[in-house]
Amino acid sequence: NAGVTQTPKFQVLKTGQSMTLQCAQDMNHNSMYWYRQDPGMGLRLIYYSASEGTTDKGEVPNGYNVSRLNKREFSLRLESAAPSQTSVYFCASSEAARQGQSPLHFGNGTRLTVT
Amino acid sequence: GESVGLHLPTLSVQEGDNSIINCAYSNSASDYFIWYKQESGKGPQFIIDIRSNMDKRQGQRVTVLLNKTVKHLSLQIAATQPGDSAVYFCAENPYNQGGKLIFGQGTELSVKP
Repeated sequence: NAGVTQTPKFQVLKTGQSMTLQCAQDMNHNSMYWYRQDPGMGLRLIYYSASEGTTDKGEVPNGYNVSRLNKREFSLRLESAAPSQTSVYFCASSEAARQGQSPLHFGNGTRLTVT
Repeated sequence: GESVGLHLPTLSVQEGDNSIINCAYSNSASDYFIWYKQESGKGPQFIIDIRSNMDKRQGQRVTVLLNKTVKHLSLQIAATQPGDSAVYFCAENPYNQGGKLIFGQGTELSVKP
């Protein structure tokens, strides 16, 4: 039982390049989330998906797109990377369809550097 | 030892002592709270949660206390071990903000052997 798995673990991009961060969970959870974590800022929600087939913007969605491919998988895409997107990205999942009803379970993150 | 959330981000305790990590939450509408532990290079790990209809909840070696009057949450770790060294942060869920969790920035716990 792996929980939440993120790939890749590390990535370096040049400004303007694109990439997709992958996330999969094996807990049969309904909701999935993408956060970024920056020093002194805490975790900030980028996008979330309350259930398969739905996605919604979070606090900092600009520059990102997401796809809820199926119940297990939720990907985050950077179409044109910018240095401001240098961060650690965490995917999370929770059993409840709404935050605040069950805890989030996180993956181990993707460390992205944009030069 | 005791820490007061964002104003004292580092807490250093001796192995075997009890640790108390505090969190002053911001929204009186918050009805669900979670404590996470984050070790270097890893994702946040769920420790314990509590709902606003309770003021105390215990887990294995951990206790969470909730004081809604002063909007204060604390995490107590009994018999702190070197493996407890990490950043600990709380999250609150205001029911009137669409269910979005608000995360604190955390307190770094350092356990001296």
